[in-house]
Amino acid sequence: EDKVVQSPLSLVVHEGDTVTLNCSYEVTNFRSLLWYKQEKKAPTFLFMLTSSGIEKKSGRLSSILDKKELFSILNITATQTGDSAVYLCAVVPSGTYKYIFGTGTRLKVLA
Amino acid sequence: NAGVTQTPKFQVLKTGQSMTLQCAQDMNHNSMYWYRQDPGMGLRLIYYSASEGTTDKGEVPNGYNVSRLNKREFSLRLESAAPSQTSVYFCASSRTGTPGNTIYFGEGSWLTVV
Repeated sequence: EDKVVQSPLSLVVHEGDTVTLNCSYEVTNFRSLLWYKQEKKAPTFLFMLTSSGIEKKSGRLSSILDKKELFSILNITATQTGDSAVYLCAVVPSGTYKYIFGTGTRLKVLA
Repeated sequence: NAGVTQTPKFQVLKTGQSMTLQCAQDMNHNSMYWYRQDPGMGLRLIYYSASEGTTDKGEVPNGYNVSRLNKREFSLRLESAAPSQTSVYFCASSRTGTPGNTIYFGEGSWLTVV
């Protein structure tokens, strides 16, 4: 059965810290992996990764995929209170239209 | 710039009542989805529709039915609501293709079954 596991489940840091969120997966025939940020309502898109070893970057956020070891990490540097959210990872198996989500990591950034 | 619109935003039902959650997207996407989100469980797929005229079960389809009314609309029906269906429901859509596309979410529908 296809599975996506995120760790840690929750994390509390102080402003300015750097955090690393993990997403590991077991799917038959991987196609893509996506990261989302969810504050109060709908998840919003951060990154999509399809190729191993190529870093995607947007401001203080970056992500990389390792298709050999079947995981991805999301890094946030110089965290701010506005980064407080649940971060969700989703994987799309090849040959399907399904997006399989992990349980998410709840990040709280203290001022 | 509406994107994905779902209604109602909040609903309280009594056990055994029925209701339909409506969803519409204006992005000309082929694929649409219904997820539920419960504390500690992440987003779980209820049903999805890869294209107009097709629907498939996801991870947790029991107690739900769906209708892909046309390319824009995808509704979720609870025939006989149960307290276990208390949840936040998200509709989503994506443009089908390779190597995979971003999925866009509606704002969510908070459903309480008492």
